[in-house]
Amino acid sequence: KQEVTQIPAALSVPEGENLVLNCSFTDSAIYNLQWFRQDPGKGLTSLLLIQSSQREQTSGRLNASLDKSSGRSTLYIAASQPGDSATYLCAVNILTGGGNKLTFGTGTQLKVEL
Amino acid sequence: NAGVTQTPKFRVLKTGQSMTLLCAQDMNHEYMYWYRQDPGMGLRLIHYSVGEGTTAKGEVPDGYNVSRLKKQNFLLGLESAAPSQTSVYFCASSSPLKGFGPATNEKLFFGSGTQLSVL
Repeated sequence: KQEVTQIPAALSVPEGENLVLNCSFTDSAIYNLQWFRQDPGKGLTSLLLIQSSQREQTSGRLNASLDKSSGRSTLYIAASQPGDSATYLCAVNILTGGGNKLTFGTGTQLKVEL
Repeated sequence: NAGVTQTPKFRVLKTGQSMTLLCAQDMNHEYMYWYRQDPGMGLRLIHYSVGEGTTAKGEVPDGYNVSRLKKQNFLLGLESAAPSQTSVYFCASSSPLKGFGPATNEKLFFGSGTQLSVL
C-alpha cells in the first residue's frame, strides 16, 4: 500500500527566507505527483503537477522536484511571504484503470512571520 | 468562475439520518471524486467517477453511495449516518491529460468542502 509522508508537520520561518518542504512515498510506481495548498476552512488548490517522466516543475517562486527512484519530492519556496502561510500537501497518483486516485500526505503547516 | 461548487457547506445530522451532498463542476471535466479529510489522516478517496453514468469505489467507500447521472454533477449519499462519518468532505474534478491517454490526469480542482457533524 502506498504511503505518503511529509516532514516536518509544521514549520515557522521569518519572511524572506527560502524554504524546502519534503514529501516521501513508499512505492515508486507512480504516474505523477501533485503539490497542493490548503488555507484554513478552504478547499485545496493545485500548485504544481510533475509527471513521472519529469524531474521538476516551476511556477513563480515555487519549484517542485521529483526523484521517483528514491521516492522523494521537494517543494522549494523562494523569498517566502506571509501570504504563503497555509498547509501544503503532496499527493501521488497511483492510478490504475482510469481516473485519478491520489494518495495524500498529511501536510506541512507553514507559517511565515513578519 | 464557479469551478467546483459543493452544497451544503455545513450540516449537523443525528445518528441514523440520511442526507445527500451535491457537487457541481462547470469545467466539462470527465473525472469527479469525493474525498473525506480527517485530522492526522490526510484526505482519503471515498468514491470516484470517470464519466457520466459510471462510479467506482475508492479507499473508504463503506456507508456511502454515489451517483453521476449528469456529467457536471456528482452526488454523495449517506443512507444512515454514523458518528464515524463526522468529517470534512471535498469534491474534486479533473480531466485526462491531453495526448497522454486515460491513465493520466490534469490538475485536480477542489470544492470548498462540507463540514458534516453526526451526533
